[in-house]
Amino acid sequence: GESVGLHLPTLSVQEGDNSIINCAYSNSASDYFIWYKQESGKGPQFIIDIRSNMDKRQGQRVTVLLNKTVKHLSLQIAATQPGDSAVYFCAETKANFGNEKLTFGTGTRLTIIP
Amino acid sequence: KAGVTQTPRYLIKTRGQQVTLSCSPISGHRSVSWYQQTPGQGLQFLFEYFSETQRNKGNFPGRFSGRQFSNSRSEMNVSTLELGDSALYLCASSSKPPSGRRGDQETQYFGPGTRLLVL
Repeated sequence: GESVGLHLPTLSVQEGDNSIINCAYSNSASDYFIWYKQESGKGPQFIIDIRSNMDKRQGQRVTVLLNKTVKHLSLQIAATQPGDSAVYFCAETKANFGNEKLTFGTGTRLTIIP
Repeated sequence: KAGVTQTPRYLIKTRGQQVTLSCSPISGHRSVSWYQQTPGQGLQFLFEYFSETQRNKGNFPGRFSGRQFSNSRSEMNVSTLELGDSALYLCASSSKPPSGRRGDQETQYFGPGTRLLVL
């Protein structure tokens, strides 16, 4: 079946360095992708999204890259801070579908080392 | 503006019991979705309510049900609990109706979840 997965379950990065979290998706029909951040004891928080008509989108200290050829998504966090420590996961869907079509990855735990 | 609130935050039940979880959406939000989060399966969609009507349902057995009240608050119920129902149950509210194309930014806001442990 279709699935969204993450390459690495854990990632440790020195504070101030950049981090890259990867996500592979298998549904070639997906055209909308979202990255979430989930801190301990909290619900997921929207970080950034991207549509399939874009290759790159930037936010505040975050950049999402989409490679449709290999069905790969990445989240880059610049100048990491202790508050960036969390689980990050991606989700895919078609933009004209509702939440019932959202497929989530299982997550990568990012730890920022002071 | 207050965020999405869920009660209770933690719950311990035994197999065979039933449980009701509550979610209060952000003021003005009429759409509430429920999700189950487990280490093995990740986040999985349960159902979505809008204007007191279930609009979408995920792939879960009939033991999982929900409802929405006129003030948009929502409850979900799980009957005849099984060990595998142990999970974090998240609700999310949105101002966007279930149908229709997504806007430029995700409009779904999650609550902190209710952690259910079934023994």
